[in-house]
Amino acid sequence: AQSVAQPEDQVNVAEGNPLTVKCTYSVSGNPYLFWYVQYPNRGLQFLLKYITGDNLVKGSYGFEAEFNKSQTSFHLKKPSALVSDSALYFCAVRPYNTDKLIFGTGTRLQVFP
Amino acid sequence: GAVVSQHPSRVICKSGTSVKIECRSLDFQATTMFWYRQFPKKSLMLMATSNEGSKATYEQGVEKDKFLINHASLTLSTLTVTSAHPEDSSFYICSARDRLEGVQETQYFGPGTRLLVL
Repeated sequence: AQSVAQPEDQVNVAEGNPLTVKCTYSVSGNPYLFWYVQYPNRGLQFLLKYITGDNLVKGSYGFEAEFNKSQTSFHLKKPSALVSDSALYFCAVRPYNTDKLIFGTGTRLQVFP
Repeated sequence: GAVVSQHPSRVICKSGTSVKIECRSLDFQATTMFWYRQFPKKSLMLMATSNEGSKATYEQGVEKDKFLINHASLTLSTLTVTSAHPEDSSFYICSARDRLEGVQETQYFGPGTRLLVL
């Protein structure tokens, strides 16, 4: 079965430190990969996506993600975390033969002052 | 750009009544819209795919007669929860794809609708 895994329910990081939110996937073919962020009682905001090309993708608010095909991973990163980055982050995958998104279970990022 | 709105943002209704939720793409045309349901501290569950001018495609386990979807124009899709019951209480989120983005199209999400059935 096709799936997306976000192994950490919560990630805690101090403001100013680098952050990583992990995502791995099990999907056949070459999928499209996405990261979304959700603030309390709000919908999802698009951060970035990988379609093809350079493995390092830069997105909104200083976030970037690195696609690793051999490890089937698409980890979200930011060099210096802000308290305002605290939110729920979802990794999503769109298999090549469908228009549906498969979501991970989400990772809550908590940035402490 | 790529803004999706939902209305209402929050609704409380009595058990047995029907509730309509609107999803609009404000600055782009969307041939396809998606309806999701999100439980507290859980991921999003795709309910159905809504295609403009045709019948929606429902995911396995989703009752199409209970969750009526209409996608009458390129900028509007509606989800009607018929004969709502307390177990239908949830956060409903729609998304839309910009048809001009082609194969690299991204799903843009609305702000969500919180439904509480008493």
